[in-house]
Amino acid sequence: AQTVTQSQPEMSVQEAETVTLSCTYDTSENNYYLFWYKQPPSRQMILVIRQEAYKQQNATENRFSVNFQKAAKSFSLKISDSQLGDTAMYFCAFISAGKSTFGDGTTLTVKP
Amino acid sequence: GAGVSQSPSNKVTEKGKDVELRCDPISGHTALYWYRQSLGQGLEFLIYFQGNSAPDKSGLPSDRFSAERTGGSVSTLTIQRTQQEDSAVYLCASSLASTRGSGANVLTFGAGSRLTVL
Repeated sequence: AQTVTQSQPEMSVQEAETVTLSCTYDTSENNYYLFWYKQPPSRQMILVIRQEAYKQQNATENRFSVNFQKAAKSFSLKISDSQLGDTAMYFCAFISAGKSTFGDGTTLTVKP
Repeated sequence: GAGVSQSPSNKVTEKGKDVELRCDPISGHTALYWYRQSLGQGLEFLIYFQGNSAPDKSGLPSDRFSAERTGGSVSTLTIQRTQQEDSAVYLCASSLASTRGSGANVLTFGAGSRLTVL
């Protein structure tokens, strides 16, 4: 069975600054996908970024980028130039052949 | 449809009653997942469908919970004899088949069904 651990229950950052959310996972699978999802107070889960485990290059999506360390089973999310709209709960997720596991989430607050 | 549709968006029921929650996935998405999320908590996996088959039912918390999917499309999650601890938001997500590709394994979520058991 796989596990996903987000060790930071809450974080805050000043608007326009950079913040990194951590995520570690454990699995015996070799082919899998990792994701970061955002859940604002509206409750709608929104995909932030995706990483295929077979790709060595770190995924980027505008202000969002990941640091994927496969050997260390680490998958952190960096948010640059934080905006007030980034305030949300962020979930790290692992998916492989239909098995999905989500971390407990990190509540991020962006302060003006 | 354009997105994943869930109904009802809110359901209040009395303890002991049965409830049905519906999920209409994105057309063409063969994989469908159900999760439960208690207030301020993470997502608890319930069940996964690939087509109409449920290869992984390991997350269903008790035999009061069941789910089915028909025609490889709409799924219904049924909770019998509801208990107060069943109160939560039930989220449904769908994705393309689990193969490599730009859309593979990307879960698109519905807005959820909030269940309150009095």
